[in-house]
Amino acid sequence: GAVVSQHPSWVICKSGTSVKIECRSLDFQATTMFWYRQFPKQSLMLMATSNEGSKATYEQGVEKDKFLINHASLTLSTLTVTSAHPEDSSFYICSEASSYNEQFFGPGTRLTVL
Amino acid sequence: GDSVTQMEGPVTLSEEAFLTINCTYTATGYPSLFWYVQYPGEGLQLLLKATKADDKGSNKGFEATYRKETTSFHLEKGSVQVSDSAVYFCALSDNYGQNFVFGPGTRLSVLP
Repeated sequence: GAVVSQHPSWVICKSGTSVKIECRSLDFQATTMFWYRQFPKQSLMLMATSNEGSKATYEQGVEKDKFLINHASLTLSTLTVTSAHPEDSSFYICSEASSYNEQFFGPGTRLTVL
Repeated sequence: GDSVTQMEGPVTLSEEAFLTINCTYTATGYPSLFWYVQYPGEGLQLLLKATKADDKGSNKGFEATYRKETTSFHLEKGSVQVSDSAVYFCALSDNYGQNFVFGPGTRLSVLP
């Protein structure tokens, strides 16, 4: 299956700062990538769908001005958490959709906001 | 909307025990069904999938059969190992690999 990487794998930041998370498709040109958020011991919640060359589609309740998504190339999508607060601390996972109706997930990025 | 329900965890088993994790779904149309596994501190890995009714997905000794009549996709393994300890997510998607809906996850602990 496709290989998806995320960077960084773990980040700690101060409240009020911005953090950028990268999601790369290493062997597949992904026109569509997805960003999920996972709270401890909970399931994944879809945040947004990232489309190459166009604006991301956000799920209801997700603040698009706080979670900025950029998908400038077929192999890279970025999620920027702006003005992070402790309640933004979570595990963020990206994925890409293959042509075989499945998704391949990145290893995740753990964000801790102090 | 579409939804996935899984049995409540955590599930604790002894090594070599039989495993069943129940999963049922509600969906319009004919979704594809998946089981994903998440090891501690890692992302999700596809364990197995089935794309149509009566299909059986299998991998690493795990199996699940797409049962349309009972809208179920129960995960089974005949003999679990300590290395199977993880969180298991049942999921469905439309036939374009998008619009994934995940169940809440079931944590499995296998004791030696």
